[in-house]
Amino acid sequence: DSGVTQTPKHLITATGQRVTLRCSPRSGDLSVYWYQQSLDQGLQFLIQYYNGEERAKGNILERFSAQQFPDLHSELNLSSLELGDSALYFCASRPSGDSYEQYFGPGTRLTVT
Amino acid sequence: AQSVTQLDSQVPVFEEAPVELRCNYSSSVSVYLFWYVQYPNQGLQLLLKYLSGSTLVKGINGFEAEFNKSQTSFHLRKPSVHISDTAEYFCAVSATNAGKSTFGDGTTLTVKP
Repeated sequence: DSGVTQTPKHLITATGQRVTLRCSPRSGDLSVYWYQQSLDQGLQFLIQYYNGEERAKGNILERFSAQQFPDLHSELNLSSLELGDSALYFCASRPSGDSYEQYFGPGTRLTVT
Repeated sequence: AQSVTQLDSQVPVFEEAPVELRCNYSSSVSVYLFWYVQYPNQGLQLLLKYLSGSTLVKGINGFEAEFNKSQTSFHLRKPSVHISDTAEYFCAVSATNAGKSTFGDGTTLTVKP
């Protein structure tokens, strides 16, 4: 158990819909990362937050957005969903300091039908 | 920017045989290097990391990796694999002045009896 929690574990929804994925980082970790993992594109970095502020952006679509709240939990919002958005979405958190290892949650499996 | 190339997408090996998973990286600045393992239906888990010091790094489950700066490589090795080592392995690199990691495409290790 990494200490990072993600809800829900599975999500099935239809094209055009909007969903919200939730992540709680390890206690004390200020950084949260979101990743998308699919069979054809591998593990793709989406976005990073640090203590409530956006720090880095990766291959995140405009239809996707994220935020980190004062209690440090983070939400990833996916809208106007397409079949190609079906994937595993991981959240990871990182301890403060000079060591950059990340601790991954169990993921949310999103299926768009 | 950093990039990571995992040279083998799939590595089949028999139980109790040695294995090497190859990782090359590219970066114009100093880096930290990581190997993560992903078991089926789970998130990524840190195997080992290189931050500084000795170039031979030991991790969990009997794995080790060697940092070779001149060849910009960070290959993962295990002298004798078990069936339970069957998983996907990801090499990752972070610039020492940034918190974002770049992941390779992954190597699927399949250990056969």
